[in-house]
Amino acid sequence: NAGVTQTPKFRVLKTGQSMTLLCAQDMNHEYMYWYRQDPGMGLRLIHYSVGEGTTAKGEVPDGYNVSRLKKQNFLLGLESAAPSQTSVYFCASSRVAGWTDTQYFGPGTRLTVL
Amino acid sequence: AQTVTQSQPEMSVQEAETVTLSCTYDTSENNYYLFWYKQPPSRQMILVIRQEAYKQQNATENRFSVNFQKAAKSFSLKISDSQLGDTAMYFCAFVNYGGSQGNLIFGKGTKLSVKP
Repeated sequence: NAGVTQTPKFRVLKTGQSMTLLCAQDMNHEYMYWYRQDPGMGLRLIHYSVGEGTTAKGEVPDGYNVSRLKKQNFLLGLESAAPSQTSVYFCASSRVAGWTDTQYFGPGTRLTVL
Repeated sequence: AQTVTQSQPEMSVQEAETVTLSCTYDTSENNYYLFWYKQPPSRQMILVIRQEAYKQQNATENRFSVNFQKAAKSFSLKISDSQLGDTAMYFCAFVNYGGSQGNLIFGKGTKLSVKP
């Protein structure tokens, strides 16, 4: 039981490049989330999903897209990376809605956009 | 606006001693959940303890306990018998019950150093 895993762990992009971050969970959780963490700040929600095939916007969705084609996977895409997207990205999952259940976090992906 | 404030950016404690981390929050809702997460140098966010706002009894998990004061909107974390492995960033967070999303609102964190 690996919990929540994220790939890659580190990535450096040039402005304008695209990439996809993969989150996978093996706990059969319905809900999945993408957060970003900037220096000196708490996590902020980018997008989330309440089940396979669903996605919704969080607090800071601009510049990102997501997909949940399989229940266990939640992908975060950057179509045209900008230096403002330099951050650490965390994926999380929960069995039911996050307001009634604990969110389990992955180890994070450190992304630098030059 | 819903906010979480952690007024102590950094704290240190001697091994085996007790330390309390402060957290205050602001919400107009009556039903919500409160959490403390630990983020060690590995960066992974680990749940330490959670509290349901409708419960008057303070939550405890081994050496970790909270002091939940709903009227004051205060949710402090007490770590007893501090261990070197407790060195980490600690984030306080809350989520409203019944909202349209499980949006955890995080504080900026407190960096705790446990010294031998």
